[in-house]
Amino acid sequence: QLQLQESGSGLVRPSQTLSLTCAVSGGSIDSGAYSWNWIRQPPGKGLEWIGCIYQTGSAYYNPSLKSRVTISIDRSKNHFSLGLSSMTAADTAVYYCARAGDFPPEHYFDYWGQGTPVIVSS
Amino acid sequence: SFELTQDPAVSVALGQTVKITCQGDSLRSNYGSWYQQKPGQAPVLVIYGKNNRPSRIPDRFSGSSSGNTASLTITGARAEDEARYYCTSRDSNSPHLVFGGGTKVTVL
Repeated sequence: QLQLQESGSGLVRPSQTLSLTCAVSGGSIDSGAYSWNWIRQPPGKGLEWIGCIYQTGSAYYNPSLKSRVTISIDRSKNHFSLGLSSMTAADTAVYYCARAGDFPPEHYFDYWGQGTPVIVSS
Repeated sequence: SFELTQDPAVSVALGQTVKITCQGDSLRSNYGSWYQQKPGQAPVLVIYGKNNRPSRIPDRFSGSSSGNTASLTITGARAEDEARYYCTSRDSNSPHLVFGGGTKVTVL
């Protein structure tokens, strides 16, 4: 059974950079036809896709966040990471990592981490 | 950017059937997928592709698609189905994904 677990800074100062890691267990991050995604959910609001990375290292970002986001993958450690710079209060959210099946025309998030809350505050 | 539109809320009587819809141009070329989220929990995949359910999802959940609209139907709603439901799809021309705004389902 695949499992994903987020870890990283839960409290970030305004203007600083958020760093989160998603550890993948029970399966390989090298699995083809899957992307590895970051998704967030501000308090009381809906889900927002942040971006994804494939095993090849190709990454794609939500256009609204593209200038501030970096997603990387470490195949040797079987994990992938999120960096989000210039944090503001609007970035306060629960951050999830998730695997997405990429089988056109089907695309779906089949495994999710439990989520990690991130608060932006001085 | 592309968008998916969902009704904010819907209610259903216990044991009755409810249909939730999701509209967007990307759904003309890509199937939507559906997620159930209960308060304080991570979303759970309930329907993907043409009408596929993960093994742990009961068969009262079903999906369909027509034109630019994807639908999730709960047949014989139970109290535990009360949750917010989100659809998602991939953009027609890029690897970007987007979520609908979510539909709150209340079981009366």
